[in-house]
Amino acid sequence: DIQMTQSPSSLSASVGDRVTITCRASQGISNSLAWYQQKPGKAPKLLLYAASRLESGVPSRFSGSGSGTDYTLTISSLQPEDFATYYCQQYYSTPPWTFGQGTKVEIK
Amino acid sequence: QLQLQESGSGLVKPSQTLSLTCAVSGGSISSGGYSWSWIRQPPGKGLEWIGYIYHSGSTYYNPSLKSRVTISVDRSKNQFSLKLSSVTAADTAVYYCARAVRYFDWLEAYYYMDVWGKGTTVTVSS
Repeated sequence: DIQMTQSPSSLSASVGDRVTITCRASQGISNSLAWYQQKPGKAPKLLLYAASRLESGVPSRFSGSGSGTDYTLTISSLQPEDFATYYCQQYYSTPPWTFGQGTKVEIK
Repeated sequence: QLQLQESGSGLVKPSQTLSLTCAVSGGSISSGGYSWSWIRQPPGKGLEWIGYIYHSGSTYYNPSLKSRVTISVDRSKNQFSLKLSSVTAADTAVYYCARAVRYFDWLEAYYYMDVWGKGTTVTVSS
């Protein structure tokens, strides 16, 4: 199985801050990576797929980058509605698909 | 707009079989280019992919659960189902269904999960 390691596991930030979350795969995944946002009691919401493609309707302050084993989610200017937990997920090749352990973004 | 809705038994006794259904509305489960997944999330923990079924009926399961999982599709009702046998307290979780959509990159096909149901809570307890 491909292991996904996210860092940090949590962070505190202020509205307007630039936030970066990193996801590392245990082997190369050829940009087969999605990012999700989850708020308490809600289902995950797709933000980006193919590492850097923004899902329709998602604000442009969210962006993704990376290649090989290392990927990054960036929120350019944190908004109040962005406080949530973020997960990366690889869908490369043969299943199982696997998720990172999550990064909780909290208000400073 | 596609919507998914999970339903099923919210309380299951240990050693019994968990059964859930995901009703699909706003689109056909038989359409090509999609797969249909189950994912779960234990209380306070992260997400675990359980398995998926293609529109063709082919299935792929997480090896960690493969011996206990069955995913099937009922095209007449536009829904797909999950059965997990021999459950224990460790199977207590919120269970989500999701659609994965296909795209091509350098002629390789990939699927990412774009639409999720709201989730249903399953508790395993006697």
